[in-house]
Amino acid sequence: GAGVSQSPSNKVTEKGKDVELRCDPISGHTALYWYRQSLGQGLEFLIYFQGNSAPDKSGLPSDRFSAERTGGSVSTLTIQRTQQEDSAVYLCASSSRAGGVTDTQYFGPGTRLTVL
Amino acid sequence: KNQVEQSPQSLIILEGKNCTLQCNYTVSPFSNLRWYKQDTGRGPVSLTIMTFSENTKSNGRYTATLDADTKQSSLHITASQLSDSASYICVVSTYNQGGKLIFGQGTELSVKP
Repeated sequence: GAGVSQSPSNKVTEKGKDVELRCDPISGHTALYWYRQSLGQGLEFLIYFQGNSAPDKSGLPSDRFSAERTGGSVSTLTIQRTQQEDSAVYLCASSSRAGGVTDTQYFGPGTRLTVL
Repeated sequence: KNQVEQSPQSLIILEGKNCTLQCNYTVSPFSNLRWYKQDTGRGPVSLTIMTFSENTKSNGRYTATLDADTKQSSLHITASQLSDSASYICVVSTYNQGGKLIFGQGTELSVKP
């Protein structure tokens, strides 16, 4: 079946502009995660959705970052007033359940964001 | 502070040779440890998942070990192939926090013919 998809694959924007990144998780997966991977850095957790529960936003670096998950499926990560340090690859992952020791997170290909 | 450190940062080996990648962590409470392979321009792909009670787990030519006492893990790759060239990421999960995966910075492996 189809894996996790993300769009766009590449996004170049000017400093100060808002951007929206989209994630389509694997159908039926209840858990959805957003991560950021900066050049030369490890993956950084941003936000986590599980079913209809309130999302865990503890990883969002500032109030310029927000995310929504509509209908328990598609998610959108929004970055307002982008800064050059926001340049990174933004990865989305989904899993069939959260917290289980055997749950595997399936990652999308990522969106490469470049802020000029 | 929960941290995952990997070594070496990068590694170059010849095709057919074996190699071992290291991971040290200070994450507590520990739930499980995962190794991911990330090809350039792609998302990470899970190789192995090990819980506290597991010492070793294999996936084809990949064998992961875990020493929960010393908080160390290794990933051994046997008979390397050119397609093994990728970044290998060690990830540790804290107990009962499904979203809280702590990622290492990865080891960049390059397999040369």
